[in-house]
Amino acid sequence: NAGVMQNPRHLVRRRGQEARLRCSPMKGHSHVYWYRQLPEEGLKFMVYLQKENIIDESGMPKERFSAEFPKEGPSILRIQQVVRGDSAAYFCASSPPGLGGGEQYFGPGTRLTVT
Amino acid sequence: EDQVTQSPEALRLQEGESSSLNCSYTVSGLRGLFWYRQDPGKGPEFLFTLYSAGEEKEKERLKATLTKKESFLHITAPKPEDSATYLCAVHLPGSGNTGKLIFGQGTTLQVKP
Repeated sequence: NAGVMQNPRHLVRRRGQEARLRCSPMKGHSHVYWYRQLPEEGLKFMVYLQKENIIDESGMPKERFSAEFPKEGPSILRIQQVVRGDSAAYFCASSPPGLGGGEQYFGPGTRLTVT
Repeated sequence: EDQVTQSPEALRLQEGESSSLNCSYTVSGLRGLFWYRQDPGKGPEFLFTLYSAGEEKEKERLKATLTKKESFLHITAPKPEDSATYLCAVHLPGSGNTGKLIFGQGTTLQVKP
């Protein structure tokens, strides 16, 4: 049973470019979460999605960041017009159907570097 | 503000030297407390879920316990391969069906042979 998959594992973008991070949840999981880990900081919640629905986006910056989890295909975290402060590790997690939260299983992360 | 605090920030042990990591939380009501292990450059690996005070879970050399205000991760006779950062997270009560986990800063454990 494959775990949570994220790609790319490493992404380098210049300031002002767009970054697209992809996440495929574990088989059978219908909840997806995105977290950000800044250097020397802990994991911070960004957004929680179910298929075609954003359930909680209270941790998402108000501008330039968006997330989706379409009916088909992976979840996408999109960062427009990246700035140096966006450099971080972005982790996706998934959990099985049912009440949101609970045991969340994490992917290997995408390390974004903005030059 | 809801907070999760882990201590110590860093811990160095000799192989075989047992110890405990602490996670304290200041939330009113708890839907779950989770322990994860994170190795450098990797994603957090799920270890345990605890839901109510008095609950205990064990896995190999690790044992997690929960009280009303804190959790402990006990490491018995650690080995060098137990070296990692251990993260604690809480699932908060709240309106709706939020899946938000609040993470502590972690305890970085180094076990020397």
